[in-house]
Amino acid sequence: KQEVTQIPAALSVPEGENLVLNCSFTDSAIYNLQWFRQDPGKGLTSLLLIQSSQREQTSGRLNASLDKSSGRSTLYIAASQPGDSATYLCAAKLTQGGSEKLVFGKGTKLTVNP
Amino acid sequence: ETGVTQTPRHLVMGMTNKKSLKCEQHLGHNAMYWYKQSAKKPLELMFVYNFKEQTENNSVPSRFSPECPNSSHLFLHLHTLQPEDSALYLCASSQVRAGELFFGEGSRLTVL
Repeated sequence: KQEVTQIPAALSVPEGENLVLNCSFTDSAIYNLQWFRQDPGKGLTSLLLIQSSQREQTSGRLNASLDKSSGRSTLYIAASQPGDSATYLCAAKLTQGGSEKLVFGKGTKLTVNP
Repeated sequence: ETGVTQTPRHLVMGMTNKKSLKCEQHLGHNAMYWYKQSAKKPLELMFVYNFKEQTENNSVPSRFSPECPNSSHLFLHLHTLQPEDSALYLCASSQVRAGELFFGEGSRLTVL
């Protein structure tokens, strides 16, 4: 069964700290991987999309990497701010038998304390 | 309006009611999706439409009935739901295969 795992499930850090969120997937036949942010009771906001041919993507204080061989992606947040507090989800588009399936992790709930 | 818009944002219904959720995308995408998000579970894909044709139904009970009249609009018709169907229902759109998924704000459904 294709799975996406996010560790830790929750993380609390002081403001200003750099942090890394982890995402692992069970299938190396990955088409792309997308990181999202979700605020309580809201929809998902796309942060970064990494295609399988790419190693990383950057947007402002965010940097996402993709290592297909180890089945891992990381989301690096520099100089964290209280406004970064949210749940971060990764979703891997995995291919199997000619079809593609987008598989979500359960998310990491981040709290940045002022 | 921009992006993906969902209405209503909140819905409370009894088990015998019939209601519909609406989704509209203004991104020119050709694929639309319904997801269900329950507490402490990963997002569950319910339905996928590519170019108005349903291409995926993830064993969703028939009390949920999707409709996609065109590439910009998607509905989820609800009837005789159960309390366990209470969840956040999220609509998303993308260009087929290109991948990046854009979500609406969701419709919070409570079934009494």
